Amino acid sequence: KAGVTQTPRYLIKTRGQQVTLSCSPISGHRSVSWYQQTPGQGLQFLFEYFSETQRNKGNFPGRFSGRQFSNSRSEMNVSTLELGDSALYLCASSLAQGGAGELFFGEGSRLTVL
Amino acid sequence: KQEVTQIPAALSVPEGENLVLNCSFTDSAIYNLQWFRQDPGKGLTSLLLIQSSQREQTSGRLNASLDKSSGRSTLYIAASQPGDSATYLCAVTYNTDKLIFGTGTRLQVFP
Repeated sequence: KAGVTQTPRYLIKTRGQQVTLSCSPISGHRSVSWYQQTPGQGLQFLFEYFSETQRNKGNFPGRFSGRQFSNSRSEMNVSTLELGDSALYLCASSLAQGGAGELFFGEGSRLTVL
Repeated sequence: KQEVTQIPAALSVPEGENLVLNCSFTDSAIYNLQWFRQDPGKGLTSLLLIQSSQREQTSGRLNASLDKSSGRSTLYIAASQPGDSATYLCAVTYNTDKLIFGTGTRLQVFP
């Protein structure tokens, strides 16, 4: 059974650009959640999608957005990148929404903003 | 405010020791608690999931306990090995809509 796949694994952008990250969940999982991890702030919840609907959102500016497709694959987008957006972005999939079930994480997408 | 704290922040032990990692949460009305490990630059690997109605879960050399009344969970690692070196994170779910991670304990097991 394939795990959670995130692409790209590494990317470098400059301030003001935008970026799109992709997450393919484990087959059969309908929940995909996204997290930002930085040395200073730790793991912070961005948002969760379940059956193509955003179910919950963390305290991030509107520059951070996401969507989920009918096959449960999810994308997150960050517009007008800032230096502080440099981080490891992790997605997790689960059978149940809202952290009710076990979470399975991908390897992450490491974003560097110059 | 709902907060999750992990102590100690870092731990270094010789191989073979039994050790305990701690996770404290301020709001006892949790739905479940999960323990993860994270290797440097990698994603998180789920270790154990404890539902609010459970007191403990075991997997191999790992045992996690949950005491909601005191707002604590402990992860017990028996006979530690160098391969156990990683950062261990606990995460608490509230009302099935909010997952809060602790800051982690960085464990190093030396031969």
